[in-house]
Amino acid sequence: GQSLEQPSEVTAVEGAIVQINCTYQTSGFYGLSWYQQHDGGAPTFLSYNALDGLEETGRFSSFLSRSDSYGYLLLQELQMKDSASYFCAGDMDTGRRALTFGSGTRLQVQP
Amino acid sequence: ETGVTQTPRHLVMGMTNKKSLKCEQHLGHNAMYWYKQSAKKPLELMFVYNFKEQTENNSVPSRFSPECPNSSHLFLHLHTLQPEDSALYLCASSQGLAGGRDTGELFFGEGSRLTVL
Repeated sequence: GQSLEQPSEVTAVEGAIVQINCTYQTSGFYGLSWYQQHDGGAPTFLSYNALDGLEETGRFSSFLSRSDSYGYLLLQELQMKDSASYFCAGDMDTGRRALTFGSGTRLQVQP
Repeated sequence: ETGVTQTPRHLVMGMTNKKSLKCEQHLGHNAMYWYKQSAKKPLELMFVYNFKEQTENNSVPSRFSPECPNSSHLFLHLHTLQPEDSALYLCASSQGLAGGRDTGELFFGEGSRLTVL
């Protein structure tokens, strides 16, 4: 089957570092994406990992380990505006070429 | 002009009504999608169109009927819906069908919030 698991909520303070984990179960896998969604807004693309390792884009980094069926999104120097929901999404090898999303992690950044 | 535009933003309908959701993308993409977003649940893929042809129907009830007249427009026709169909319906587009940067990155609209009474 296809499923992606992530924590439902995470709380952190401004300036801190937070890691949002995503584990997946699937028989085949092309890559892992991360999307950010503010309340009332559209999900927006943050990053994509096709290969194992770390991808860095400014304050955000994403990591993938295929052998562990695991990835994470790392947010550094947290700002209040980072308060949002974060979704991991898998590009699965099921014959379907469309993303399967996790249920999302709501990040609350506190002063 | 935003990349993916959805109308209406909010819709309230009775169980016997017929309504339609509209999505338009100005990005020159080839693939368009409908996703359903309910509280505390993953975004649920409903339909995929690639070059105007439906490539995916994720076991969606027939009371939801998609239409894709061209690569820029996507509709979701609604009839005899149930209260549990109340949700945010998100349209998205991408250049290709993979999930990653430069090819399959999804660009979402802001959604149509549907309430079925």
